[in-house]
Amino acid sequence: NAGVTQTPKFRVLKTGQSMTLLCAQDMNHEYMYWYRQDPGMGLRLIHYSVGEGTTAKGEVPDGYNVSRLKKQNFLLGLESAAPSQTSVYFCASSLDRYEQYFGPGTRLTVT
Amino acid sequence: AQSVAQPEDQVNVAEGNPLTVKCTYSVSGNPYLFWYVQYPNRGLQFLLKYITGDNLVKGSYGFEAEFNKSQTSFHLKKPSALVSDSALYFCALRAAGNKLTFGGGTRVLVKP
Repeated sequence: NAGVTQTPKFRVLKTGQSMTLLCAQDMNHEYMYWYRQDPGMGLRLIHYSVGEGTTAKGEVPDGYNVSRLKKQNFLLGLESAAPSQTSVYFCASSLDRYEQYFGPGTRLTVT
Repeated sequence: AQSVAQPEDQVNVAEGNPLTVKCTYSVSGNPYLFWYVQYPNRGLQFLLKYITGDNLVKGSYGFEAEFNKSQTSFHLKKPSALVSDSALYFCALRAAGNKLTFGGGTRVLVKP
């Protein structure tokens, strides 16, 4: 039981490049979330999903898109990366609306 | 709008002494409150939650938290801190809907 896994662990992008972050969970959780973590700001919700085929905007959705084609996977896309998107990205999942289980994070640098 | 405040950026405590990490919140409606811990280069780990019932909630690794509705607080406590408790601690709040709001985090340093 791997829990929540994220791919890749590190990535460096140039401004304007695109990329997709993959989150996978093997706990059969309905809810999945993408957060970004910046120093002194805690975690901020980017997008989330309440089930396969659904997505919804969080607190800071601009510049990101998501898809949940399979229950176990939640993809976060950056279509045109900007330096302001340099951050650590965490995926999480939950069975219900209570405790969330987090992945190890992806450290993204945009130059 | 809901919000969470962790007033201390860092808490220093000697090993064996009591540890308290403060959290206050603002929300309309009933709050669901959580504490998470983050070790270096790791994701967040769930420690405990308050949904309803007893105001004193016990969680993992000997941690507990006290919900105080009149003071809108949910402080995290441990009677005797360990060096291994040194980490970043986050308080989080869920009100209506699916949104979880996190505080800015408090770094705990336990000195031997």
